[in-house]
Amino acid sequence: DIQLTQSPSFLSASVGDRVTITCRASQGISSYLAWYQQKPGKAPNLLIYAASTLQSGVPSRFSGSGSGTEFTLTISSLQPEDSATYYCQHLNSFPYTFGQGTKLEIK
Amino acid sequence: QVQLVQSGAEVKKPGASVKVSCKASGYTFTGLYIHWVRQAPAQGLEWMGWINPYSGGTDFAQKFQGRITMTRDTSISTAYMELSRLISDDTAVYYCARGRDAFDVWGQGTMVTVSS
Repeated sequence: DIQLTQSPSFLSASVGDRVTITCRASQGISSYLAWYQQKPGKAPNLLIYAASTLQSGVPSRFSGSGSGTEFTLTISSLQPEDSATYYCQHLNSFPYTFGQGTKLEIK
Repeated sequence: QVQLVQSGAEVKKPGASVKVSCKASGYTFTGLYIHWVRQAPAQGLEWMGWINPYSGGTDFAQKFQGRITMTRDTSISTAYMELSRLISDDTAVYYCARGRDAFDVWGQGTMVTVSS
């Protein structure tokens, strides 16, 4: 199975900051990577798919990049509503595993 | 609008089975796989498997093999996930999600509590 490792596990940043979360795959997955945002008590919400394609309706301050084994999710200017846990997921082959999550706190 | 609506919370005893439903609306049910993902309390997301609503074909994560079943009823655009021989570690929120390039639509989640 392909393992995904996110870093950091916890992140505290201020409104307006540029924030980057990294996801590393245990083997190459081309661009078959998605990013989700999850707020407490809610289902995950798709932000980015195919590593860098912004899902319809998602603010443009979110962006994704990478291919192969290393990927990043960037929030260009952090907003209060971005406080959440973020997960990466690969869709290269079954099982479609998730990273362990990055909890983002707004200072 | 496109949505997946799941059945309500369940409380089960160890050793029992649970069956969760996921009703699709707003799109062609047979056109996209339905995946099931679970999340234990304060834990991350765990992919469980998928069903192809068109063919009924399924595939499951290795850890659930032998005690998970996924079915569908195309006449009512509903997918089902049944997990048997429940243990306390199966206590979690279970989600269905529509999948293509990623999981773009999710159900609201169904809390399953396993307790004696």
